[in-house]
Amino acid sequence: EVQLVQSGAEVKKPGESLKISCKGSGYSFTSYWIGWVRQMPGKGLEWMGIIYPGDSDTRYSPSFQGQVTISADKSISTAYLQWSSLKASDIAMYYCVQGVGGYWGQGTLVTVSS
Amino acid sequence: DIQMTQSPSSLSASVGDRVTITCRASQGIRNDLGWYQQKPGKAPKRLIYAASSLKSGVPSRFSGSGSGTEFTLTISSLQPEDFATYYCLQHNSYPWTFGQGTKVEIK
Repeated sequence: EVQLVQSGAEVKKPGESLKISCKGSGYSFTSYWIGWVRQMPGKGLEWMGIIYPGDSDTRYSPSFQGQVTISADKSISTAYLQWSSLKASDIAMYYCVQGVGGYWGQGTLVTVSS
Repeated sequence: DIQMTQSPSSLSASVGDRVTITCRASQGIRNDLGWYQQKPGKAPKRLIYAASSLKSGVPSRFSGSGSGTEFTLTISSLQPEDFATYYCLQHNSYPWTFGQGTKVEIK
């Protein structure tokens, strides 16, 4: 059974760094792209970017380029989304998704508050 | 970037109604489109892939059609469990883009 299991909810202060994770199982992790999707409170889905764990080829939406970093560690079948300096506008639920969305993680809620 | 214009943004319908949701792409995307259902507090689930292929386990009342720039998701007979928000996603070219969503509410 394919599963994407994300790390737990985070509460951070503005300016802090953060790295959330998404662990894949039940399939060949290096053979499928893993993407990240943002959903701000009460809003729609926004595609952020995607990585191919096999060779770390990464593509970003222009809206998120330079704002976040997507990475993967194929040795532990885990993809990451990280921020170097969080802002209040980063408050959202973040989902990882395999490829074109056949499988989704359960979501990680990121809260940024002073 | 390819823009996906989804309509309507919301609709009210009754159980048993036929419901149609449309996504229009700003340029041709062949059939590189999926439809997703999201219920409150839950992760989205894919219903349709390649514009018209039903994901295994999804009820047959859901169907997708279209190619190029015009796509539709149809629910042939709305059921109580179908009240949710629906999104399209184009994956023809980067950046992939979602439609704005359609909230299907109970009339």
